[in-house]
Amino acid sequence: ETGVTQTPRHLVMGMTNKKSLKCEQHLGHNAMYWYKQSAKKPLELMFVYSLEERVENNSVPSRFSPECPNSSHLFLHLHTLQPEDSALYLCASSQEWRGNYGYTFGSGTRLTVV
Amino acid sequence: GDSVTQMEGPVTLSEEAFLTINCTYTATGYPSLFWYVQYPGEGLQLLLKATKADDKGSNKGFEATYRKETTSFHLEKGSVQVSDSAVYFCALSYSGNTGKLIFGQGTTLQVKP
Repeated sequence: ETGVTQTPRHLVMGMTNKKSLKCEQHLGHNAMYWYKQSAKKPLELMFVYSLEERVENNSVPSRFSPECPNSSHLFLHLHTLQPEDSALYLCASSQEWRGNYGYTFGSGTRLTVV
Repeated sequence: GDSVTQMEGPVTLSEEAFLTINCTYTATGYPSLFWYVQYPGEGLQLLLKATKADDKGSNKGFEATYRKETTSFHLEKGSVQVSDSAVYFCALSYSGNTGKLIFGQGTTLQVKP
C-alpha cells in the first residue's frame, strides 16, 4: 500500500470517551504531521514529528496526545474532548521536516464529538 | 508573522471559463510557494509549487507564477471542468529552520456544466 492511510475515516465519540486516530505511511518519509481542519478556518498545524521525535507542538490542549512509535506510524490519542474539537483531522508526511518538500496527506478522519 | 491570504469563496464558474484564484503572502524571508487541492471527502494533494521568484509552477492545466514584487502566487487555468470543483489552498514554507507549511484559508471552486 502506498501513500498516507488514516483510520478510521469517521469517528463519533462522547466527551468522556477515549479513542485514537491512526496514520500510516509507506513512503519512506522521515517527518509526519497532524493538522486540524475546521470549517471556514485555516488548517491548523498541531504536531510535527521527525524521526519519531516530536519537534513541534503548537499549543495544543493536553486532551490531544500524539504518539510516534516509528517513522511509519503516527497516532493521535483523544480523551475528554469538547464539541468544538469536532473537525477533520489530517495526517501528512514529508521526506524531511526541514526543507521545501511537499507534503503527502491522508484522506483524514472526520471526528464528531457529541 | 508569516501568513497567506486567499480570496474568499465560493468561486462559481461555468465549464470552460477562465479561472483565477488570488493568493498573497507575508513573509520575512524567501519562501517556497505551493498550491494544494482538496476534492470532496479527500485529503490535500499537491497541485504545483514554485521555489523562487519568477518561477512558474504548472500541473494539469493549472499554473501560478511566484511574484516577489507583489508577494503573490495567483492560481490560473484557461478552461475549467466540472471535475475541477474542489477546495484550493495556497501555502508557503521555508527551507531553513522549519519546513512547516503555512496555509491560507482555502477557496472553494464550483464549476457548473
